[in-house]
Amino acid sequence: DAKTTQPNSMESNEEEPVHLPCNHSTISGTDYIHWYRQLPSQGPEYVIHGLTSNVNNRMASLAIAEDRKSSTLILHRATLRDAAVYYCILSSGGSNYKLTFGKGTLLTVNP
Amino acid sequence: NAGVTQTPKFRILKIGQSMTLQCTQDMNHNYMYWYRQDPGMGLKLIYYSVGAGITDKGEVPNGYNVSRSTTEDFPLRLELAAPSQTSVYFCASSGRGTESYNEQFFGPGTRLTVL
Repeated sequence: DAKTTQPNSMESNEEEPVHLPCNHSTISGTDYIHWYRQLPSQGPEYVIHGLTSNVNNRMASLAIAEDRKSSTLILHRATLRDAAVYYCILSSGGSNYKLTFGKGTLLTVNP
Repeated sequence: NAGVTQTPKFRILKIGQSMTLQCTQDMNHNYMYWYRQDPGMGLKLIYYSVGAGITDKGEVPNGYNVSRSTTEDFPLRLELAAPSQTSVYFCASSGRGTESYNEQFFGPGTRLTVL
């Protein structure tokens, strides 16, 4: 399975935008990019996913590099509730339902 | 919708005991999963199912068994509990379709300690 690399931790201030990076240099053409987040003592929560084009939803935006070797999750206005571990995950084209979670990025949001 | 529910929330087992972790979803999802999460780590897939009667191994299946007799339920069985199975267990489900299976819905987890 293709691997992802994320910073261990990042810090942000409330009401400021947050850009969470993810490198996936060995991504193949049919791999989807998924982002999940896990709030303290809870199960993971879906954030967004994409294949080639940038994606927007009510929670966040996903910017995918043209060569697909990296992507960035954008939280437009961080709130205290966004403090969580964010996981960037690749899934194989034929098995998009099988996700492999890494350690993710711990996002701290300062008031 | 209740979503994905798991019971129990907490459990302490002695080495060698057996137990079943229950998972139920009310979203009529075809796909269901069991993950474990050790402290400070990401989730690892134990078993998954693409529909009733169909199950397959994930990344860390040893020491566990599953069954899927209905669309709603996907129990996880530990036959001979070992300290290495101390973890938080998450059940998840996802729908079927062109894109819908990409979003997995997770339960609140079962915290298991084996002493």
